[in-house]
Amino acid sequence: DAKTTQPTSMDCAEGRAANLPCNHSTISGNEYVYWYRQIHSQGPQYIIHGLKNNETNEMASLIITEDRKSSTLILPHATLRDTAVYYCIVRFSGYSTLTFGKGTMLLVSP
Amino acid sequence: NAGVTQTPKFRILKIGQSMTLQCTQDMNHNYMYWYRQDPGMGLKLIYYSVGAGITDKGEVPNGYNVSRSTTEDFPLRLELAAPSQTSVYFCASSPGQGMTDTQYFGPGTRLTVL
Repeated sequence: DAKTTQPTSMDCAEGRAANLPCNHSTISGNEYVYWYRQIHSQGPQYIIHGLKNNETNEMASLIITEDRKSSTLILPHATLRDTAVYYCIVRFSGYSTLTFGKGTMLLVSP
Repeated sequence: NAGVTQTPKFRILKIGQSMTLQCTQDMNHNYMYWYRQDPGMGLKLIYYSVGAGITDKGEVPNGYNVSRSTTEDFPLRLELAAPSQTSVYFCASSPGQGMTDTQYFGPGTRLTVL
């Protein structure tokens, strides 16, 4: 699976959009981009995934660049409960295992 | 529908003791996984299973054993506990179908080996 690079930490004001970047310059054509998050002391939680097109669900939006070498997870209206570590993961298919890096610690402040 | 449950929540072991971490899922998922997470680090895969009777090693399998006799249960066994096994252990499951399989995680077991 391709490696990913994420900033160690980010800050966001409550109510504002949180934009979390991820670089995956070695991604191959059949690899998906997944995002999970881990709230303190809890198990990771699936957020969203995508292959080429931008994706949106009730939790977030995923913007993937045209060359697929980077992506951005967008939380449109961050709340204090969105404070967590966010993991960007690239994997070949649903059958392969997840490889977690250190992720980005997002701190949402009042 | 409880999802993925893990027991115990916390445990302290002495060096050389053994124990089994329990994991059960009620979503009829084919795939199950065990991860460990050391402080400040991401999760590392210990073992996984693609169905009853089938298991395979992950990134850090040494010191652990698993079995999968039913679809629902995937216990993790520590035979001779060592301080290096102090960690938080997460179990996960996924349907194992389609190109975009999503993993669902349990709440974790915090293990300390002294």
